[in-house]
Amino acid sequence: AQSVTQPDIHITVSEGASLELRCNYSYGATPYLFWYVQSPGQGLQLLLKYFSGDTLVQGIKGFEAEFKRSQSSFNLRKPSVHWSDAAEYFCAVGDNNAGNMLTFGGGTRLMVKP
Amino acid sequence: DAGVTQSPTHLIKTRGQQVTLRCSPISGHKSVSWYQQVLGQGPQFIFQYYEKEERGRGNFPDRFSARQFPNYSSELNVNALLLGDSALYLCASSRTGGNQPQHFGDGTRLSIL
Repeated sequence: AQSVTQPDIHITVSEGASLELRCNYSYGATPYLFWYVQSPGQGLQLLLKYFSGDTLVQGIKGFEAEFKRSQSSFNLRKPSVHWSDAAEYFCAVGDNNAGNMLTFGGGTRLMVKP
Repeated sequence: DAGVTQSPTHLIKTRGQQVTLRCSPISGHKSVSWYQQVLGQGPQFIFQYYEKEERGRGNFPDRFSARQFPNYSSELNVNALLLGDSALYLCASSRTGGNQPQHFGDGTRLSIL
């Protein structure tokens, strides 16, 4: 069965600093990978996705992620964080054999210092 | 176009009761999935429906059931509610039943007393 691990439960960065959120997955075949963001009391918004091809994926709000098969990782990055980026971030893997079932990691809560 | 809409936004029930949650997908989307998000955790997959048929089921008891209507809207039913069912229930829609990006609603917050 597939699984997703987000090692960092909480991360605090200063506004304007760079950001990297870690995601490691376990999946038997080529994975479909996603990053979602969730603001308090709201649903999840898709930031970016990886299906195939270029391993560096660009998303919305200035985010990007890099797929590294050798490390089973799909880390999310942003060069300069804004206060509005404070939220919970979830990495997810899609199961090719179960429709579009997503398996999520436990999430990383990002706090931004002024 | 409107996004995924869920109703109600909040619900309070007592143990043993039954609840029905509703979801309207984005126009043109034929697949609806349900997820349960317990406070402090990532969402967990409950069901996926595509073209009115169940295409996937997560590790949830039979107290959980769902259906999809001809207009692709969906209902999630939970019987014999337990305290542990308190969670945010999220609905997501996608164009097809394959690995398409899923778009989530804002969820229904269910509290069990």
